[in-house]
Amino acid sequence: QVKLQQSGAELVKPGASVKLSCKTSGYTFSTSYMSWFKQIPGQSIEWIGMIYAGDGGTGYNQKFKGKATLTVDTSSSTAYMDLSSLTTEDSAVYFCARRDYDGTYYWDWFAYWGQGTLVTVSS
Amino acid sequence: DIQMTQSPASLSASLGETVTIECLASEDIYSNLAWYQQKPGKSPQLLIYDASSLQDGVPSRFSGSESGTQYSLEINSLQSEDAATYFCQQHHDYPPTFGAGTKLELK
Repeated sequence: QVKLQQSGAELVKPGASVKLSCKTSGYTFSTSYMSWFKQIPGQSIEWIGMIYAGDGGTGYNQKFKGKATLTVDTSSSTAYMDLSSLTTEDSAVYFCARRDYDGTYYWDWFAYWGQGTLVTVSS
Repeated sequence: DIQMTQSPASLSASLGETVTIECLASEDIYSNLAWYQQKPGKSPQLLIYDASSLQDGVPSRFSGSESGTQYSLEINSLQSEDAATYFCQQHHDYPPTFGAGTKLELK
């Protein structure tokens, strides 16, 4: 079955960077898209961007350009997100989620999610 | 970006009742709407896509409908496990955007 396993919680200092991971299994990673989301606890969900594992092509929400960088390692079926120049406003839970695929088409709803990684930015 | 206005922000209902949550899109999204359920400390779970298509494994007491740019999620015969926060998400255009959420409490 499809699984997305995210890395553990991070406590980072302002100005630092952090790299989150999302290790996948149960499907063909190299022909999939992975999206990343931000959710401040108690608030709504924001789409950060998406990466196609086949060629590393990316698309970002304008709001997160320069903040987030998405990469993949197809040899380990893992997606990564780098967050840079962290501030307290970046403290949130970050989710990875696979763009849905029916074998022919890709769809922009999300049936498979990782469990989330809590990032806390504090000095 | 397409704005999704979700209402109510919270509601309280009793077991067995029926509740409706609504989302209004800032422009036509052509039925490209999904609904998610999220419980505290968990990731969102897809309930509905394309406004009214039930995701595999989701109980049939959940249903989605639309009227113009207004979309609704109805939950019939409320069960205790339905206590959660519900989000709508438009999947018509980039970036995908979510409503603010509706917190459903069971009395």
